[in-house]
Amino acid sequence: AQRVTQPEKLLSVFKGAPVELKCNYSYSGSPELFWYVQYSRQRLQLLLRHISRESIKGFTADLNKGETSFHLKKPFAQEEDSAMYYCALSAEGGETSGSRLTFGEGTQLTVNP
Amino acid sequence: EPEVTQTPSHQVTQMGQEVILRCVPISNHLYFYWYRQILGQKVEFLVSFYNNEISEKSEIFDDQFSVERPDGSNFTLKIRSTKLEDSAMYFCASSVRQWGGYTFGSGTRLTVV
Repeated sequence: AQRVTQPEKLLSVFKGAPVELKCNYSYSGSPELFWYVQYSRQRLQLLLRHISRESIKGFTADLNKGETSFHLKKPFAQEEDSAMYYCALSAEGGETSGSRLTFGEGTQLTVNP
Repeated sequence: EPEVTQTPSHQVTQMGQEVILRCVPISNHLYFYWYRQILGQKVEFLVSFYNNEISEKSEIFDDQFSVERPDGSNFTLKIRSTKLEDSAMYFCASSVRQWGGYTFGSGTRLTVV
């Protein structure tokens, strides 16, 4: 069974400071990892997926298979980054099945002015 | 940008009543999902749907729950006899490919009284 752990429920930083949101996972196969963001009262939005290795809104995340981690980082936090961030894992699905996402509990990031 | 649309945004129902939550996925998407989030808890997978049938369901998705795609555009979640513990935010999602990278709807907050 797969599991995603986000150890920090709350994270508070000042504007311009670096931020790192931690995510660890357990899964015996080859997972696909994602970060979703939920701004206040809005829908869950895909922020990053590890397979695309892109940087969105200045955020990056690297899959570390040795440490089973997928931490989200941004060198200079902005006030508009304040939101709930969810790490999620997608296990390999069959040909005809959509693949379920297993979510972490989320980290509420607050960026103070 | 295409969106997944969910209606209603908030529904209050009495315990034991049937409710139907509605979703319009993105038109060229093939995989459809329902998730729920009980207040203060993590987002949990309920069911995935592909090719007009359930492809996977979680332990939560018992006989009280059913899904339908009645007309090729809507995707509904029915709860036959609601319980207090069904109170949650229900999210619909769709994806064009089998894994991950979903687009989520803005959710329906279900309150069972």
